[in-house]
Amino acid sequence: RKEVEQDPGPFNVPEGATVAFNCTYSNSASQSFFWYRQDCRKEPKLLMSVYSSGNEDGRFTAQLNRASQYISLLIRDSKLSDSATYLCVVRNNFNKFYFGSGTKLNVKP
Amino acid sequence: DVKVTQSSRYLVKRTGEKVFLECVQDMDHENMFWYRQDPGLGLRLIYFSYDVKMKEKGDIPEGYSVSREKKERFSLILESASTNQTSMYLCASSLSAASGNTIYFGEGSWLTVV
Repeated sequence: RKEVEQDPGPFNVPEGATVAFNCTYSNSASQSFFWYRQDCRKEPKLLMSVYSSGNEDGRFTAQLNRASQYISLLIRDSKLSDSATYLCVVRNNFNKFYFGSGTKLNVKP
Repeated sequence: DVKVTQSSRYLVKRTGEKVFLECVQDMDHENMFWYRQDPGLGLRLIYFSYDVKMKEKGDIPEGYSVSREKKERFSLILESASTNQTSMYLCASSLSAASGNTIYFGEGSWLTVV
C-alpha cells in the first residue's frame, strides 16, 4: 500500500471555478502535512502547510482530518496560472517525507 | 530563502559510465535527500542523510550510492549508469525535529543514459 495516495486527475476546470483535491495517507503516526505545487519540468515548491485546525492562504484552503487520515486542498476562483500538478506530502516521525503521485489541474479560459 | 543547488542540470552519459550528481544547500539543514521522478511513478526516495557521514537507504537504492562528507553537500553516485536510470533527479534538504519543517528542492538534474 502506498504511503500517500492521490487521484491523478486531470481536473479540467474553467477559470473562476472552485476545485477540490483530496489525498489519503496510511501512517497514523505522520507528523506534518503539506501541499506542494509542481510546474511542468520544474521542482516541487511549497504551496502551504496543513494544520489540524485548517488553514487558508488567499484563494487556497487546506484541511486535515487525522481520524480519517486525509488531507484536502480547495482552490477558489481558479486562475489560468493555477494550472500545475499538486502534490500531497506527509512527513513521518523519522523526518522522512512521502509524496503522492500528484493531481494535475488544467484551468481553461 | 533556502537555496538548494544542483550544479549539473542536464547530462548525457553512456551506459557503464560512473556519474556524479552534486547538491549543495546553504541553510545548515541536517537532512538531505535524493529522489528520482518518473512519469506515472511520482517522487521516489533513493537515499537520505540526517548528518555528516550518515546515510540511509530509501525505497530504490539499488544502483546508487551517496556521499556526505560535509554538512552542506550531498552527492549521488551512479556506479555504472544504465538506461533505466534515465530520469529527473531531485536533491532536497530539511531541518530535523520540530514539526512543520518543510522540504526544499533543487531545480533538478535531467540525466539521459544512452
